[in-house]
Amino acid sequence: KQEVTQIPAALSVPEGENLVLNCSFTDSAIYNLQWFRQDPGKGLTSLLLIQSSQREQTSGRLNASLDKSSGRSTLYIAASQPGDSATYLCAGLDTGRRALTFGSGTRLQVQP
Amino acid sequence: EAGVAQSPRYKIIEKRQSVAFWCNPISGHATLYWYQQILGQGPKLLIQFQNNGVVDDSQLPKDRFSAERLKGVDSTLKIQPAKLEDSAVYLCASRSGTGYHEQYFGPGTRLTVT
Repeated sequence: KQEVTQIPAALSVPEGENLVLNCSFTDSAIYNLQWFRQDPGKGLTSLLLIQSSQREQTSGRLNASLDKSSGRSTLYIAASQPGDSATYLCAGLDTGRRALTFGSGTRLQVQP
Repeated sequence: EAGVAQSPRYKIIEKRQSVAFWCNPISGHATLYWYQQILGQGPKLLIQFQNNGVVDDSQLPKDRFSAERLKGVDSTLKIQPAKLEDSAVYLCASRSGTGYHEQYFGPGTRLTVT
C-alpha cells in the first residue's frame, strides 16, 4: 500500500526566500506525481504533474523533481511571496489503482 | 471549459441525520472520484467511478456511505446516518479517458456533524 509523507508539516519564511518542500513515497511503482496547492476553505489547484518517465517539471517560480529510485519528490519555490501562503500537497498516482494517494501537506506561511 | 461543480458548499447536520452531496464533473470526463479530507490531513479516496461503474470502493464505509453515478455524468454521495467523525471536506474530482491523465478537483463540500 502506497504511503506518502511530507516534511515539514509547517514552514514559515520571510518574503523573497527560496524554499524546498519534500515529499516521500513508499512504493516506487508510481505512474506520476502531482503537486497541489490548497487555500483555506478551498479545493485543490494542480500546480505541477511529473510523469514517471520525467525527472522534473517547471512552471514559473515553481520547479518539481521526481526520483523514483529513492522515493522522493521536491517542490522548489523561488523568490517566495506572501501570495504563496497556502498548504501544498503532493500525491502519487499508482500504476494499479489509478487514484491519488496524498500526503498530509505542508502549511507554508510567507511573511511580508 | 467549466470546472468540476459541487453542491452544497457547506452543510451542518446533527449526528444520525442523513446528507447528500452532488458533483458534476468536467464535460466528457469518464472517471469521477470522491475523496474525504479530514482537517489537517490529505484527501483520502472513498470511491472511483469509470462511466457509471464502480472501479474502487474499498475505502468507502458501506454501512453508512453510498454513492451513485447513474448516467455516467453527475454523481451523488450520501451519508446515512452521519457520525461526528464524518465531519470533513468532501472533494469530487474528474479525469478524462482511462489512462493516467491529470485529475481536476471541485471546490468541495464542507460537512460539519454536531
